[in-house]
Amino acid sequence: DQQVKQNSPSLSVQEGRISILNCDYTNSMFDYFLWYKKYPAEGPTFLISISSIKDKNEDGRFTVFLNKSAKHLSLHIVPSQPGDSAVYFCAASDNNAGNMLTFGGGTRLMVKP
Amino acid sequence: DTGVSQNPRHKITKRGQNVTFRCDPISEHNRLYWYRQTLGQGPEFLTYFQNEAQLEKSRLLSDRFSAERPKGSFSTLEIQRTEQGDSAMYLCASSLLGTAEAFFGQGTRLTVV
Repeated sequence: DQQVKQNSPSLSVQEGRISILNCDYTNSMFDYFLWYKKYPAEGPTFLISISSIKDKNEDGRFTVFLNKSAKHLSLHIVPSQPGDSAVYFCAASDNNAGNMLTFGGGTRLMVKP
Repeated sequence: DTGVSQNPRHKITKRGQNVTFRCDPISEHNRLYWYRQTLGQGPEFLTYFQNEAQLEKSRLLSDRFSAERPKGSFSTLEIQRTEQGDSAMYLCASSLLGTAEAFFGQGTRLTVV
């Protein structure tokens, strides 16, 4: 069973507009959530994270929102740039289980100039 | 470069052969993780070390897989008697104890022919 799901395999956005990537999880033991960005033939690059005690974390153009009751998080990128085109993975961690990451299947973001 | 380093970047091997991959983590990181990623999927946890101790192994890690981190620094992942189903990207990540943010290497792409 998939504990972390990204239901949109792809998303296409115009440059300058907002990109919203969504993620749902089922395991209530998860207490930390992360977003990674991945280019082809490279390893994932850490982007932004949020603790379960918060509902929002912002870093420049990137904001992550967490809704614990709905077991849902989202990544907002504003404004989107062509260089943001990549696969984005949502990941969840349980601090009491070694912080190993459980990943979603990824969303391919394409930002059109 | 003080990031996570993996060698080799690519490995093509014949079915039945043994292969070994190496990971050099960020030097001050206590924890080291191995993940496997197949096409169209998110990374899947295989195993992790805290210093030299291997603390957790996924059920994905069959008896043909073995990992070591002898001095709590670099780690090796060996696959014996490779099968075509072992073809994947093998990713190494490291983190500080008590933190969820893991930093990934560029991965080793294994192709079993």
